[in-house]
Amino acid sequence: DAGVTQSPTHLIKTRGQQVTLRCSPKSGHDTVSWYQQALGQGPQFIFQYYEEEERQRGNFPDRFSGHQFPNYSSELNVNALLLGDSALYLCASSSDAGVNYNEQFFGPGTRLTVL
Amino acid sequence: DAKTTQPTSMDCAEGRAANLPCNHSTISGNEYVYWYRQIHSQGPQYIIHGLKNNETNEMASLIITEDRKSSTLILPHATLRDTAVYYCIVRGYTGANSKLTFGKGITLSVRP
Repeated sequence: DAGVTQSPTHLIKTRGQQVTLRCSPKSGHDTVSWYQQALGQGPQFIFQYYEEEERQRGNFPDRFSGHQFPNYSSELNVNALLLGDSALYLCASSSDAGVNYNEQFFGPGTRLTVL
Repeated sequence: DAKTTQPTSMDCAEGRAANLPCNHSTISGNEYVYWYRQIHSQGPQYIIHGLKNNETNEMASLIITEDRKSSTLILPHATLRDTAVYYCIVRGYTGANSKLTFGKGITLSVRP
């Protein structure tokens, strides 16, 4: 059983560009959450998607947007990149039902560098 | 903001128990205590969670004080592979409240 997968592994962009990160949840999971982790800090919650809708959002600007597809996979889009957007972007999947109710399983992350 | 406070770092000898403390004095009655860990450059890994009773699984034990204002994660026989950042998180349990609010965590170093 594949766990949470993310692509790409690493990405380098320049200021002002736009980026799209992708996440496939663990089999059986229907909820995807995105987190940003700056160097030396704990992950910070960006938003969560359930049933293709944004269910909850953290304190991030509108430059950060997302989407969830019918197969539960998700994308994180960041527009007008800033140097401060350089971070590890983590995707976590969970399920609103079942034995591991609401446990979040994390992917390996995408390392974004903005130059 | 994180609702927990943890020491910045600690170390322990391989094979010994590692006791990681966490304070959560403002925890609400319906909030759970979760522990995750993050090994360098990997995604966080769930360890254990509890409400008010002590919990044990194959990875660790969680001891929550009676007033629920603090807890301790116990790794009974630490190995070098347990070297990681450990996060103590207070969180509601329903879907709408399921976001994880991470602090800086505690860095555990297991020495040979």
